Amino acid sequence: NAGVTQTPKFQVLKTGQSMTLQCAQDMNHNSMYWYRQDPGMGLRLIYYSASEGTTDKGEVPNGYNVSRLNKREFSLRLESAAPSQTSVYFCASSRDRVEQYFGPGTRLTVT
Amino acid sequence: GIQVEQSPPDLILQEGANSTLRCNFSDSVNNLQWFHQNPWGQLINLFYIPSGTKQNGRLSATTVATERYSLLYISSSQTTDSGVYFCAAENSGNTPLVFGKGTRLSVIA
Repeated sequence: NAGVTQTPKFQVLKTGQSMTLQCAQDMNHNSMYWYRQDPGMGLRLIYYSASEGTTDKGEVPNGYNVSRLNKREFSLRLESAAPSQTSVYFCASSRDRVEQYFGPGTRLTVT
Repeated sequence: GIQVEQSPPDLILQEGANSTLRCNFSDSVNNLQWFHQNPWGQLINLFYIPSGTKQNGRLSATTVATERYSLLYISSSQTTDSGVYFCAAENSGNTPLVFGKGTRLSVIA
């Protein structure tokens, strides 16, 4: 039982490049989330998926897209990376909006 | 949306001391959680506590929903308790958790 897994762990991009962050959970949770964490800002929600087949914007969705591929997987795509997207990205999942469980994070640097 | 404020922002303790971390929220909640982020960045769920009191070892939490605050108690602190403690709250079924900015705890041996 791996919990929530994320790939990659680290990534460096040049401005304008694209990439997809992958997240998977093996806890049969309905809800999945993508957050970014910046120094002094806490965690801010980018997008979430309350259940398979649905996605909704969070607090900071601009510059990102998501796909809920199936119940297990929820990916985050940066179409044209910008230096302002340098951050640590966390994926999380929960059963019906109760306890959230987090992945280990992806540290992204955009130069 | 709901506002979540945590205090103090920083706390330094001697090993063995007790501490209380506070979380104030601006609206009624149906979901309140406490998390610990260790120095390596991993986020661990400590408590799901929209109301009442829970205990887990040296940690306990109390949420007084009618007065819009929650407290996290750490007793007999250890160096492994160091890190950032986040409170997060949700006040409806449509809006997911909103996180506070955290309390950074340093426990010194």
